[in-house]
Amino acid sequence: DQQVKQNSPSLSVQEGRISILNCDYTNSMFDYFLWYKKYPAEGPTFLISISSIKDKNEDGRFTVFLNKSAKHLSLHIVPSQPGDSAVYFCAARRSGGGADGLTFGKGTHLIIQP
Amino acid sequence: KAGVTQTPRYLIKTRGQQVTLSCSPISGHRSVSWYQQTPGQGLQFLFEYFSETQRNKGNFPGRFSGRQFSNSRSEMNVSTLELGDSALYLCASSATWNQPQHFGDGTRLSIL
Repeated sequence: DQQVKQNSPSLSVQEGRISILNCDYTNSMFDYFLWYKKYPAEGPTFLISISSIKDKNEDGRFTVFLNKSAKHLSLHIVPSQPGDSAVYFCAARRSGGGADGLTFGKGTHLIIQP
Repeated sequence: KAGVTQTPRYLIKTRGQQVTLSCSPISGHRSVSWYQQTPGQGLQFLFEYFSETQRNKGNFPGRFSGRQFSNSRSEMNVSTLELGDSALYLCASSATWNQPQHFGDGTRLSIL
């Protein structure tokens, strides 16, 4: 049972435009969410996170939105740059005693077209 | 600041052997987690250590084990290797459990 789902395996966006990557989760116990970017032959690089007490978090060109009622989060990249071409993973975890590791989605391959 | 360091980067073993992978976390980070990445299953949580204690374990057989030392460095061990253990093994560290995890570049394990 996949608790974190990224339904778009790939996404192509023109340079300078907005990239929107989506992620859905099913476990209502998740309260901390993260986005990672991964290039081939490298480990995932942390981008941005959000706690369930917030609905938005910004860091430069990256903004993450959380809709708890819909169990949905999205990552917005504005403006998109060629170096943003990578695989993006959504991850979630539950906090508190006995917290588990991160549960990852299968990833979305973002391709920025010049 | 040095990142998470994993050794070796590549490893080739045969079925039935055992293997030990090493991870040095970011300086000051006390939490270390291990993940397995395969094309079919994606990134899956193996286990998490904090202050030398295993806090959580994912849904993997007992052949997969780990430990953490007093300097926060961690090792994971896989015994009686199977073909399906071929994967990228990633280590991640964080200052505490509720801080973002930062990943190393992984160890690529191939089982022949």
